[in-house]
Amino acid sequence: NAGVMQNPRHLVRRRGQEARLRCSPMKGHSHVYWYRQLPEEGLKFMVYLQKENIIDESGMPKERFSAEFPKEGPSILRIQQVVRGDSAAYFCASSPDSGLMNTEAFFGQGTRLTVV
Amino acid sequence: QKEVEQNSGPLSVPEGAIASLNCTYSDRGSQSFFWYRQYSGKSPELIMFIYSNGDKEDGRFTAQLNKASQYVSLLIRDSQPSDSATYLCAVRTGGYNKLIFGAGTRLAVHP
Repeated sequence: NAGVMQNPRHLVRRRGQEARLRCSPMKGHSHVYWYRQLPEEGLKFMVYLQKENIIDESGMPKERFSAEFPKEGPSILRIQQVVRGDSAAYFCASSPDSGLMNTEAFFGQGTRLTVV
Repeated sequence: QKEVEQNSGPLSVPEGAIASLNCTYSDRGSQSFFWYRQYSGKSPELIMFIYSNGDKEDGRFTAQLNKASQYVSLLIRDSQPSDSATYLCAVRTGGYNKLIFGAGTRLAVHP
């Protein structure tokens, strides 16, 4: 059973370009979470999605960032017109359900975005 | 006040000693508490979670939760150099896996 798969593992973009980060949850998981980790900091929640629905996007910057989790295919985190401050590690996590206290979220290996 | 606070460290302990990592949180409605280990350049990996007051043991690891004091800790017995990593405390408040992370404590176990 493959874990949470993220690609690419490393992504370099010039300022002003678009970055697309992909996340395929674990088999049987329908809940996806995106987190961002700036250097030397903890992870910050960005968005929580279920298939075709954004449930909580309270951690998403108001501009340039968007996320989707279509019926078919991986979840996508899209950053338009990237700036140097977007350089970070972006982690995706998935879980089989959301309501139980003792369920855990499994993290992917992350995408390290570098904006030059 | 930060929602989840951890001492950034580094916490340095000799091999074989007990490492004690602490975390406080501000939201009294928090329900579940997680400890993750993160090696440099890697993804967080879950060590254990706890949601009831008291202690929970798993091998060399013990998590302790005190909801009245809004405090959760992780004890690592018989520390090994391979335990050297950053330990992230995370708190879940709502009904889904939206986790609020602390900034992490760096642990260094020296031979």
